[in-house]
Amino acid sequence: DQQVKQNSPSLSVQEGRISILNCDYTNSMFDYFLWYKKYPAEGPTFLISISSIKDKNEDGRFTVFLNKSAKHLSLHIVPSQPGDSAVYFCAAISNSGYALNFGKGTSLLVTP
Amino acid sequence: GAVVSQHPSWVICKSGTSVKIECRSLDFQATTMFWYRQFPKQSLMLMATSNEGSKATYEQGVEKDKFLINHASLTLSTLTVTSAHPEDSSFYICSARELGLDLRTQYFGPGTRLLVL
Repeated sequence: DQQVKQNSPSLSVQEGRISILNCDYTNSMFDYFLWYKKYPAEGPTFLISISSIKDKNEDGRFTVFLNKSAKHLSLHIVPSQPGDSAVYFCAAISNSGYALNFGKGTSLLVTP
Repeated sequence: GAVVSQHPSWVICKSGTSVKIECRSLDFQATTMFWYRQFPKQSLMLMATSNEGSKATYEQGVEKDKFLINHASLTLSTLTVTSAHPEDSSFYICSARELGLDLRTQYFGPGTRLLVL
């Protein structure tokens, strides 16, 4: 049962514009959320995380928003750059958990 | 900081042979390491959790006798695929949690691509 869902398998955005990647979760025990970026044939790279006590966390061009009532989070990349083209995975974990629960990923393509 | 390496990066082997994959945390200590498997266009599937000095915890459906995990030190975990078969061909990725810091953020290795002929 997929507890973390990324319903958009792919997204195409023009360079300079905002990329918005969405993620939904079903387990209300999740209280820590992470975004990873992955290039083909490489391991995921940690991007940004957010605790459930916050609704926003920002790091440079990357901002993650958390809506606990809707069990939804999103990653905003602005401005988008061609080097951002990759697969983005959303992950979640509960306070008592030990393993990350991953979504299936969204492939982002930033075109010049 | 928080660099995780894997070796080898890719391996091709004959069916029936065993393959060992190493996962190392280069600049930090990790009491817990994780082994994932990823099929094309699929999510990362957790195979097992490796704890230093104790037996690994395997996820449901993962054969512990086929995927042997050893976590002998705070910086090294190994995954051995025993008697590999073509269906074991996949991308194997390890991750580690840094001891004492932000226990819920995992740092991933670059992955090992295994092809069993």
